[in-house]
Amino acid sequence: EAGVAQSPRYKIIEKRQSVAFWCNPISGHATLYWYQQILGQGPKLLIQFQNNGVVDDSQLPKDRFSAERLKGVDSTLKIQPAKLEDSAVYLCASSSQGQVNTEAFFGQGTRLTVV
Amino acid sequence: QKEVEQNSGPLSVPEGAIASLNCTYSDRGSQSFFWYRQYSGKSPELIMFIYSNGDKEDGRFTAQLNKASQYVSLLIRDSQPSDSATYLCAVNRYSSASKIIFGSGTRLSIRP
Repeated sequence: EAGVAQSPRYKIIEKRQSVAFWCNPISGHATLYWYQQILGQGPKLLIQFQNNGVVDDSQLPKDRFSAERLKGVDSTLKIQPAKLEDSAVYLCASSSQGQVNTEAFFGQGTRLTVV
Repeated sequence: QKEVEQNSGPLSVPEGAIASLNCTYSDRGSQSFFWYRQYSGKSPELIMFIYSNGDKEDGRFTAQLNKASQYVSLLIRDSQPSDSATYLCAVNRYSSASKIIFGSGTRLSIRP
């Protein structure tokens, strides 16, 4: 079974530029998560999709971050414009639907450096 | 108050000893609980999950859950240098869909 795929692995941009990250979840997984992990901290949930609908985006900075999951499969997360404090690893995870003990499987992450 | 709280450590344990990692959570509606291990520069990987009060054992790992006290712990027996990592506690606030919230993690160092 293929895992969660993310690209790119690394990205360096200047502040005020835009950037996009891509995620392909495990086949058949209805739930997709985007987490932001700043160095030395735990993953922070930015947005959660159930199929192609948003379940929770309460911690997504909507003035600069946007995300979509077209057709309930792949997802993209965009930052525009980027700030220095956006430097972090962006982790995509997916899980199957409808079970309370379902774990989240993580991709390798995208390390973003804003300079 | 953070939803999931962990001591950031570092926790230093001699090789062969028992490492004890603790986590508290604030939402009594949380239904399942996970321990993930994260090596430096890598993504989190699941070690164990638990959703019933009591203990759950898997090899050298034991997860303990006390819902009344809103407390989850992970014991690692016969600690090995390869266990040195950050351990993330996560809770699933399941209602109509899973919502997995992480703590800040505890850094564990196993000294030879």
